[in-house]
Amino acid sequence: GENVEQHPSTLSVQEGDSAVIKCTYSDSASNYFPWYKQELGKGPQLIIDIRSNVGEKKDQRIAVTLNKTAKHFSLHITETQPEDSAVYFCAAIPSGGGADGLTFGKGTHLIIQP
Amino acid sequence: SQTIHQWPATLVQPVGSPLSLECTVEGTSNPNLYWYRQAAGRGLQLLFYSVGIGQISSEVPQNLSASRPQDRQFILSSKKLLLSDSGFYLCAWSTTRGNTIYFGEGSWLTVV
Repeated sequence: GENVEQHPSTLSVQEGDSAVIKCTYSDSASNYFPWYKQELGKGPQLIIDIRSNVGEKKDQRIAVTLNKTAKHFSLHITETQPEDSAVYFCAAIPSGGGADGLTFGKGTHLIIQP
Repeated sequence: SQTIHQWPATLVQPVGSPLSLECTVEGTSNPNLYWYRQAAGRGLQLLFYSVGIGQISSEVPQNLSASRPQDRQFILSSKKLLLSDSGFYLCAWSTTRGNTIYFGEGSWLTVV
């Protein structure tokens, strides 16, 4: 099955700086890679996703890049703000999916220092 | 649009007591449904998933069970709670063809 590794487990950056969270996956058949943001006491919310036919996708201050050859993908947040503080999860799912759904990374606690 | 509702949001239960968490999805038909748990750390542990009424797959053997009595209703239960059952429980759904999973707001369970 799929295995997703996520790094770092904790990331502290100064407000206004950029943050990068990296994930690697093991199943070369995986073709869908979402990112979730979980604020304290709430359920994870989808913030951006990318499919394997695309190398990069942007949405305002958030971008995701995918390197299929190396089997890794990254979340980039620019001009970080206090409200970006949360736990972020990456995930992957192989082509054709599976009823058991996504395989998640273990999460990154992003702390934005004022 | 689709929405997911999960309740109760918070509960404190004594050891040995029963548990029932409920989840309903609106605005879609025949969704895949999931129960996840987050214990002390941040990881999302898949407990159960269901592809249809009465069809339940268990990922982790444990003190919990799940049922899907209706197409858009998913219930997490226990006959006798253990201290180790404490955690944050999340219901989620996806379309049968889609990959994206959408989470509810979660239920905090504290077993005392």
